[in-house]
Amino acid sequence: KQEVTQIPAALSVPEGENLVLNCSFTDSAIYNLQWFRQDPGKGLTSLLLIQSSQREQTSGRLNASLDKSSGRSTLYIAASQPGDSATYLCAVINTGGFKTIFGAGTRLFVKA
Amino acid sequence: DVKVTQSSRYLVKRTGEKVFLECVQDMDHENMFWYRQDPGLGLRLIYFSYDVKMKEKGDIPEGYSVSREKKERFSLILESASTNQTSMYLCASSFTRGGGSLYGYTFGSGTRLTVV
Repeated sequence: KQEVTQIPAALSVPEGENLVLNCSFTDSAIYNLQWFRQDPGKGLTSLLLIQSSQREQTSGRLNASLDKSSGRSTLYIAASQPGDSATYLCAVINTGGFKTIFGAGTRLFVKA
Repeated sequence: DVKVTQSSRYLVKRTGEKVFLECVQDMDHENMFWYRQDPGLGLRLIYFSYDVKMKEKGDIPEGYSVSREKKERFSLILESASTNQTSMYLCASSFTRGGGSLYGYTFGSGTRLTVV
């Protein structure tokens, strides 16, 4: 049974710091892995999607990596800004079928 | 820009009422989903649909039903609303790639439902 863990659960950093958010999963038979951002009271906004054949994806200050063999994905945020404050969730999309496991999220607070 | 639109951001309903939550997507995705999100419980799948008029139960379907009469629209129905259905409801859509796997999700902005 696939389990997804995000560590840390919460993180507070000063503005300008580079940071890494972690997502671990137990079953390497994944199809894709997707990172989302969620602002309080809002829906999920897709940040990056990594296909299982890829090692990483980049968008602006964000870089997501995937290591299936170790069951890990990381989301790297460069030069963090107060506007990056939000909850970040990873979703592991399993191969075949409709089963997706969402992590509980990391709540990020970037201090000005 | 592709979109999933949920008709209401906030709803307040009374116990016992029949409640309809509407979701529309403009991406021609075959798959649509309803999740609820509660503090400490994360996202839980209520129902999903992989085609028009087709539906499958998710992890917590009790007290809910769904309708998909058109490809772009997926409705969640609370037959008789109860206070334990107070939650954030999120609609999402996706398309299917090789091997029947989901490519990725696009979510709506959510509906915060309060049942009093």
